[in-house]
This record gives sequence, C-alpha cells and structure tokens, in this order.
Amino acid sequence: EVQLAESGGGLATPGGSLRLSCEASGFNFSPYSMNWVRQAPGKGLEWVSSMTGSGSHIFYADSVKGRFTISRDNAKNSLFLHMNSLRVEDTAVYYCARDVRAAAGLVPWLDSWGQGTLVTVSS
Amino acid sequence: QSVLTQPPSVSGAPGQRVTISCTGSSSNIGAGYDVHWYQQLPGTAPKLLIFGNTNRPSGVPDRFSASKSGTSASLAITGLQAEDEADYYCQSYDSSLSALYVFGTGTKVTVL
Repeated sequence: EVQLAESGGGLATPGGSLRLSCEASGFNFSPYSMNWVRQAPGKGLEWVSSMTGSGSHIFYADSVKGRFTISRDNAKNSLFLHMNSLRVEDTAVYYCARDVRAAAGLVPWLDSWGQGTLVTVSS
Repeated sequence: QSVLTQPPSVSGAPGQRVTISCTGSSSNIGAGYDVHWYQQLPGTAPKLLIFGNTNRPSGVPDRFSASKSGTSASLAITGLQAEDEADYYCQSYDSSLSALYVFGTGTKVTVL
C-alpha cells in the first residue's frame, strides 16, 4: 500500500524558515515525480512544487519561487520542502502527493496523498 | 482565482443525481488537456476520484462518472449518498500559466 507521511509543520514567524519532510513507503519511490500541494484554511488546493524522480527537473509556483526549495533523497524514500522568507499567506496544510501520467506530454494526476502537515506563519 | 471555475456548492437529496461543472478556456480544457477530479472528505486529504477525463481508479464506486466537452468538464454523482458529502476539485493544465497543476475553485456537495 502506498503511504506518504508528512512532518515538520508548525508555527513560524514572518521571514522565518521551516523544513517539511515526506516519507514514502509501499512503492518504488525513485521513478516517481513528487509534489507539494497546499491548502490555506477554508480555501482550495494550490500546487506548490514538483520534482522529477531523478531530480533533473524542478518546478515551482510563482507564489513560492525564490523562497521555497524542493529536494529529495531517493535512498531514504523522502521528499523535502525547504521554506524560507515565510509569509503569513503561506499558512496552510501542506500535502505531499505522488505524480502519475499516462504518457509523456499528457496532464499528470496525483494518485496518492499524505495526510498533510499544518504550517502556521504568524507573529 | 483559478482559471478553472466550479460552482461553490451543489446539493441533493439521497438517491438523487448531482453534477459539478468545471469551466475553463481555450488555454486549458479547450486545448484538449485532460481533466482529473478529486474528492476531499471533511478533515481529510484529497483523494483521486477520476483520472484522464472519464476513468475511475480501482475502488471508486461507479456512481461517480465524468465527461469533458469543449472548454468544460463535469462530474456526476448518481444515487447520492450521505458519505458523498465532501469538497470536489477538478484539475488540469493551462498553457498560459507556469503552474504544472491547475486546480478548480472547488465545489462543496451537501446531501440534504
């Protein structure tokens, strides 16, 4: 069974930093692109960042570009999100999600999600 | 605001059929990009409901179906059940944006 478990959320002050982790199990982690998706309280889903299995391609939402860094350790089946220069508007539940696509060039979908970790940015 | 627009809420009595629209444009759904759907039960993580416009993952009841036409897609729930009360999101890609994933605005389904 595919399992994704996020950790590292908590309270940070504006301008501060946090590092989120996502530990994967139940599947061969390294071939899969992985993503971070967030959901502000009472709001919808927002894609944050994506990294291919090899780490060769990385993508960010404009809202976090230059402040957040995605990384992974395939040997440890783990995905990370390093969040710097945090803003109040970064407050959200952050989900780790696995990327699946039928073929190259087609729109991928997220077939497995973790339970999420809450990040609160407040002074 | 998302480029994929959904009605904020829909409701129906148990056993009824409800539909949720996902309206896009020529740079996303209308360009032929696939649409996927997610269900988010209260207090839980989203769950994949439909992929590739019309396909249900294993374990998803066949009362959930979806279609795509032109610049829109829709999700239908037939034989509505109390356990279907949740938020539903469509997802696609938009060629005019830098985002890899674009989610719809979300629809709250209430079972009366």
